[in-house]
Amino acid sequence: GIQVEQSPPDLILQEGANSTLRCNFSDSVNNLQWFHQNPWGQLINLFYIPSGTKQNGRLSATTVATERYSLLYISSSQTTDSGVYFCAVGAYGGSQGNLIFGKGTKLSVKP
Amino acid sequence: DAGVIQSPRHEVTEMGQEVTLRCKLISGHNSLFWYRQTMMRGLELLIYFNNNVPIDDSGMPEDRFSAKMPNASFSTLKIQPSEPRDSAVYFCASSFRGFNSPLHFGNGTRLTVT
Repeated sequence: GIQVEQSPPDLILQEGANSTLRCNFSDSVNNLQWFHQNPWGQLINLFYIPSGTKQNGRLSATTVATERYSLLYISSSQTTDSGVYFCAVGAYGGSQGNLIFGKGTKLSVKP
Repeated sequence: DAGVIQSPRHEVTEMGQEVTLRCKLISGHNSLFWYRQTMMRGLELLIYFNNNVPIDDSGMPEDRFSAKMPNASFSTLKIQPSEPRDSAVYFCASSFRGFNSPLHFGNGTRLTVT
């Protein structure tokens, strides 16, 4: 099945810094989503982005499907950005409805 | 606009007891997903419904697990009998257009089986 690798696994930032999180996947995808799991365990959908670029406030994401990667950019980070960021993909021909989640990038933003 | 609503938030039970987790979809959504999250295995899909019909239940661990959608806005996940290895956070998620649309998660139910 499709493999999803996220990097870095852990990231510590000072408030105000920028960061880039990466998601590599091993096969063609028709679905890619980024999620933020906050320290209270809530999973928030950030982007549905099987291809192209999207922006939402301080966050933006780019997926280059032909090269099998996606990037999540966080600018001017805030302490509330702390948590785990997951990339999840759905592959062509994969089990219908099954988004495969990466292991996540754990982000800690220090004040 | 209410999000996906799960209950209970926490459940502690003894091995062998029946556990029922509940989920209310976002109004207008037609797809429902049950996920389980553990430290060892991360987030795993258990079952996926589209328009109340189970489409993929290949992730359901074994016959002790069952899920239903008695109507378009509500689902239950039942574990009978429960075992300590079922301890995990169970998430319900919904989307408005099946697989290829944004997934919205509930706050989860933390299940502890002693």
